[in-house]
Amino acid sequence: EIVLTQSPATLSLSPGERATLSCRASQSVGSYLAWYQQKPGQAPRLLIYDASNRATGIPARFSGSGSGTDFTLTISSPEPEDFAVYYCQQRNKWPPTFGQGTKVEIK
Amino acid sequence: EVQLLESGGGLVQPGGSLRLSCTASGFTFTSYAMNWVRQAPGQGLEWVSTLGSEGYNTYYADSVRGRFTISRDTSRNTLFLQMNNLRADDTAVYYCAKPRYCRDGNCYYFDPWGPGTLVTVSS
Repeated sequence: EIVLTQSPATLSLSPGERATLSCRASQSVGSYLAWYQQKPGQAPRLLIYDASNRATGIPARFSGSGSGTDFTLTISSPEPEDFAVYYCQQRNKWPPTFGQGTKVEIK
Repeated sequence: EVQLLESGGGLVQPGGSLRLSCTASGFTFTSYAMNWVRQAPGQGLEWVSTLGSEGYNTYYADSVRGRFTISRDTSRNTLFLQMNNLRADDTAVYYCAKPRYCRDGNCYYFDPWGPGTLVTVSS
């Protein structure tokens, strides 16, 4: 199965400081990569799909880029509600797999 | 509005069984493959199982194959996960999720998710 490695494990930021999260795949996933946000006690929410498409209702400060094996989620100017855990997920090959998550916390 | 609501979780002893349900509304249930994804306490996300949109193709993670069975009742727009021979490492919140989109017979990503139901396997 395809292994997704996210870095860093924890990202400490001040509100408004640009956030850059990385997801690396063990083999090419093309553009079949998504990003999810999860807050404590809540279900994950789809942010980005097909590497760079924002899901319905997702603010423009969230953007995704990359293809093949290297992907990035950028939060241009994080709001207080953006401090959460972020997961990447690939759907290029079966089974679908997730990264281990990056926690974005307030510095 | 698409809504998913899981139920059926609880405390069960190792070796026991449990059946989870996911009631869906707001979309054509039979047009989409449906999924179960789980999250152990304090851990990441793990895909568990998918039922094809036709209702008979089933897919399982290696960790649950042979113990879990996914199915649906189209008259009730409900997805099920029958879990047998449960183990301590099956303890998790189980989420039901619809695909973001389907194309050429394949479905992609998970959107939205239900709120989840907690399964605890312990003696």
